[in-house]
Amino acid sequence: KAGVTQTPRYLIKTRGQQVTLSCSPISGHRSVSWYQQTPGQGLQFLFEYFSETQRNKGNFPGRFSGRQFSNSRSEMNVSTLELGDSALYLCASSLNPGGPETQYFGPGTRLLVL
Amino acid sequence: SQQGEEDPQALSIQEGENATMNCSYKTSINNLQWYRQNSGRGLVHLILIRSNEREKHSGRLRVTLDTSKKSSSLLITASRAADTASYFCATATYSGAGSYQLTFGKGTKLSVIP
Repeated sequence: KAGVTQTPRYLIKTRGQQVTLSCSPISGHRSVSWYQQTPGQGLQFLFEYFSETQRNKGNFPGRFSGRQFSNSRSEMNVSTLELGDSALYLCASSLNPGGPETQYFGPGTRLLVL
Repeated sequence: SQQGEEDPQALSIQEGENATMNCSYKTSINNLQWYRQNSGRGLVHLILIRSNEREKHSGRLRVTLDTSKKSSSLLITASRAADTASYFCATATYSGAGSYQLTFGKGTKLSVIP
């Protein structure tokens, strides 16, 4: 099976712009979670989607949003980018959203905000 | 906020030696997972230990869990240069609506010197 894929892999934006990142989960996985990783804060949970519904949300401002499509692919959007949004954004999929099982991570999208 | 805290933050050993990393957490968990990350790439799941388990093995990996002390340790035996990576513990806790959330620590950076 193909793993989790994320596009694009690298992105450079300027302050005030918005960005959309995409994640395709492993075939058959219906839960998709997003994380932000920075050197200072480490890995922080953004949100989780299952069956096109946001089931869980981390402590991030409303500028961070996401959605999931009927084929389980997910996108996250960051509006009005700030310098502090520079990070590695990781997407992870899992088979059973009702259980605390293993998550399978994609390679990440590295976002640089100038 | 971080649930797990790894110790040490960085560890440097010679190839062939054993590496031990520790993780402490604060609240009750369903399970604890260890992940590896190579140089800013995606995370790879290593092992999952449930709250009712005390020890688990997988190849050269040995994980222990002490729920009374809210701590876990990851032992990598006979380390290899390819084990050089950052290692994260993640705790799975129930977050409501049938959903569980993984919360990651800040990681231990392991360097294995050939």
